[in-house]
Amino acid sequence: AQSVAQPEDQVNVAEGNPLTVKCTYSVSGNPYLFWYVQYPNRGLQFLLKYITGDNLVKGSYGFEAEFNKSQTSFHLKKPSALVSDSALYFCAVRDGGTGFQKLVFGTGTRLLVSP
Amino acid sequence: ETGVTQTPRHLVMGMTNKKSLKCEQHLGHNAMYWYKQSAKKPLELMFVYNFKEQTENNSVPSRFSPECPNSSHLFLHLHTLQPEDSALYLCASSQDGGGAGTDTQYFGPGTRLTVL
Repeated sequence: AQSVAQPEDQVNVAEGNPLTVKCTYSVSGNPYLFWYVQYPNRGLQFLLKYITGDNLVKGSYGFEAEFNKSQTSFHLKKPSALVSDSALYFCAVRDGGTGFQKLVFGTGTRLLVSP
Repeated sequence: ETGVTQTPRHLVMGMTNKKSLKCEQHLGHNAMYWYKQSAKKPLELMFVYNFKEQTENNSVPSRFSPECPNSSHLFLHLHTLQPEDSALYLCASSQDGGGAGTDTQYFGPGTRLTVL
């Protein structure tokens, strides 16, 4: 069965500095990986996904993520953080096997960007 | 977030009440999902409807009853809930490419449910 780990409950970064939110995964087949962001009192918003191809995936709002198969990681990055990036970030993985494969989410990482 | 809408946004109910949550997607998708989000826990998939057929039921108690009358609407009927059922209930939709697994799920804003 697939699983996702987000090792940090919270990440603190100053505005203008680069940010990284970590995610590692475990699947039996090829991983399909997703990042979502959740603002207060809102649903999850899709940021980006990796299915195949280039290991560096670019997404919404200047975010990108790097797929590393050997380290089974899919860390979310942004070169310069904004205060408005403060939110809850979820990594998710689906096994790329045949048939229905559910999307498994991590427990989330709260990003706090200080002015 | 106009792609997937959910009503009501907030709901307070007693343990003996019956209520329903509504979800509507305006994206032309053919798969819809109910998730439960509790504090400090990963999102829990509850139900999946694909082409209006329920394809997944993740061992959810019978006090939760889903209904999918068409590919745009999804309901979650609630009755005799417990206080531990208090959570944020999220609806999502996707365009299912026949189980390929690459399809992105798009979420509604959620219904914050409190059971007294």
